[in-house]
Amino acid sequence: QKEVEQDPGPLSVPEGAIVSLNCTYSNSAFQYFMWYRQYSRKGPELLMYTYSSGNKEDGRFTAQVDKSSKYISLFIRDSQPSDSATYLCAMTISGYSTLTFGKGTMLLVSP
Amino acid sequence: DAGVIQSPRHEVTEMGQEVTLRCKPISGHNSLFWYRQTMMRGLELLIYFNNNVPIDDSGMPEDRFSAKMPNASFSTLKIQPSEPRDSAVYFCASSLRASGANVLTFGAGSRLTVL
Repeated sequence: QKEVEQDPGPLSVPEGAIVSLNCTYSNSAFQYFMWYRQYSRKGPELLMYTYSSGNKEDGRFTAQVDKSSKYISLFIRDSQPSDSATYLCAMTISGYSTLTFGKGTMLLVSP
Repeated sequence: DAGVIQSPRHEVTEMGQEVTLRCKPISGHNSLFWYRQTMMRGLELLIYFNNNVPIDDSGMPEDRFSAKMPNASFSTLKIQPSEPRDSAVYFCASSLRASGANVLTFGAGSRLTVL
């Protein structure tokens, strides 16, 4: 079993839809959970991160962590064509540890 | 700050040639990471430095790969000799390593094609 699993997609939705992107993981020691967005031919950029369990909201984006199920989610409300990108989850034990990345889910939002 | 700067952005070379990729991290960051990204394997950590010292190079695929960080503002990743299976996008990232989340800032990547 890979340490972090993420469906590669592509996930195609119409503009305005609510998008749910998910990752599962196996290492219960992970404490910090991040979402990176990567546009085509660009480097990943941090969207948001959460510590331990719970929710975090930033504009149209909400990150959720369920440590009991080892499951994290990123919700995008009112999706826009500009949200079309690959979304990578990443997680780490502490600020002194390296990140473990999922392979990414490609999202396509059509106008 | 201009962010993490990588060069070249694209490199096409023939098998057996030496390839050198360069990275300038964000000023003030004390950790630097080299990743390789392919469709099949996603983002793979090759090596990382803390305060210019290599900490973990277990991700370096073989002896053909080497990385250096002679000072806080410059790092290189060298492949010698290059092989077609080395074709990938190579990313450099930097961070300020401290307690809390280790937030990485990535460069735009160097796309390598080995013919």
